[in-house]
Amino acid sequence: AQSVTQLDSQVPVFEEAPVELRCNYSSSVSVYLFWYVQYPNQGLQLLLKYLSGSTLVKGINGFEAEFNKSQTSFHLRKPSVHISDTAEYFCAVDVYSSASKIIFGSGTRLSIRP
Amino acid sequence: EAGVTQFPSHSVIEKGQTVTLRCDPISGHDNLYWYRRVMGKEIKFLLHFVKESKQDESGMPNNRFLAERTGGTYSTLKVQPAELEDSGVYFCASSQDRVAGETGELFFGEGSRLTVL
Repeated sequence: AQSVTQLDSQVPVFEEAPVELRCNYSSSVSVYLFWYVQYPNQGLQLLLKYLSGSTLVKGINGFEAEFNKSQTSFHLRKPSVHISDTAEYFCAVDVYSSASKIIFGSGTRLSIRP
Repeated sequence: EAGVTQFPSHSVIEKGQTVTLRCDPISGHDNLYWYRRVMGKEIKFLLHFVKESKQDESGMPNNRFLAERTGGTYSTLKVQPAELEDSGVYFCASSQDRVAGETGELFFGEGSRLTVL
């Protein structure tokens, strides 16, 4: 069975500092990988996705993630964060099958300090 | 274009009562998913509709939960009778294509927060 582990429940960081949110997954088959973001009082929205091809994926708002198959990781990074990046971030995995369903991690709350 | 809408945004009920949550997916999206997040934990899959048919209901906790999608449009999730452990945020999501991974995106509603006292 597939699973997603987000190692940090909360990450505080100063504005304009770099940030990395960690994500590891387990799966015996090929996967699709996603990061979703939930801003306060809003639904989840897609930040970026890895389906195939280049292992470095760029998303919205300056975020990027790198798929590392050998380490089964998909860490999210941003070189310089802004106050508006304050949100909860969810890593997710999907396995192609006739009954597809996305499996989410427990989320990482990113708090930006001025 | 309207996004996924969920109602109510917050519901507070007593243990043993019934609650019905509603989800209106994006128009034209055949795939509709229900997820639940219990405080601070992962967002857990409950079930998946393709049009009006249940494609996968492996995540439904027990028979106190009943999901329907009459006519393949909006969906309801009924909890009867509610228990304390049912508290959490219930998310609905929709997608156009059958396999979310191929399109790479689920569109989520803002969630319905259920508090059972």
